[in-house]
Amino acid sequence: DGGITQSPKYLFRKEGQNVTLSCEQNLNHDAMYWYRQDPGQGLRLIYYSQIVNDFQKGDIAEGYSVSREKKESFPLTVTSAQKNPTAFYLCASSPRTLGGNTIYFGEGSWLTVV
Amino acid sequence: GENVEQHPSTLSVQEGDSAVIKCTYSDSASNYFPWYKQELGKRPQLIIDIRSNVGEKKDQRIAVTLNKTAKHFSLHITETQPEDSAVYFCAASIPRGSGYSTLTFGKGTMLLVSP
Repeated sequence: DGGITQSPKYLFRKEGQNVTLSCEQNLNHDAMYWYRQDPGQGLRLIYYSQIVNDFQKGDIAEGYSVSREKKESFPLTVTSAQKNPTAFYLCASSPRTLGGNTIYFGEGSWLTVV
Repeated sequence: GENVEQHPSTLSVQEGDSAVIKCTYSDSASNYFPWYKQELGKRPQLIIDIRSNVGEKKDQRIAVTLNKTAKHFSLHITETQPEDSAVYFCAASIPRGSGYSTLTFGKGTMLLVSP
C-alpha cells in the first residue's frame, strides 16, 4: 500500500472555493476509489473507477467530481456545492473491481474549510 | 441500499483478554469480507479477510468467522496487547451491477487495551 500517494496531506479551503486532491498509484491497479471519513461515520464511498475514462458515483457523490485520464491517477475535486467538506479523504486502489480483491489505501488528505 | 452494521462502537479490555467485534450485512450477494485496522491519523490497513466459501480463517492471534446464512461475520483477537489499540472496520463487498462491486464499511469499533 506504499504505492499510493495522496497530496496534499493537509489543505485549508475557504468557503465557496473548489479544491482538488491528488491521488497517484504505481501498483498497476485497474480500480481506484475515493472514500470520505468523518468521526463515528466509518468510510463512505464517493466515486470509483474501473478503467481509464470511466467512473461511477458512490454513495455520497453530490458536490464532488473526478476524472480518470490515466490509469495511475484519480484526482478528486471538492466543489463549492459540497455543503460540509471538512473531512479526511482516502484514496484507494485494487487490482480489479472488487469481487474479492483487497483494496489498499493512501495516507489520506485532511481537508478543512475555514 | 446495502448496510453494514458493526458492534460495539467502543470496546475496552485488559491486556491478555480476548476481544470480539461483530458485523452484519444485508446483501446476500456479498462474497468478500475484509477487516481493517486504523491507528490514529493513519490509513486503514488490512489485517485479515474472508471469502464466502470459507467459514473461518486464522492468522496468529486474529481470527474471522463468517455465517452466510445469518449474514454476519466477526473478528476475534486473542491475548490482546496495548498495540492492538486502534479503530477496527469491517467491510462487505457490494455488487454494483455490470460486474462491478465495491466495499461498504461499518462505522468502526474503537478498541482500547489497557496494560
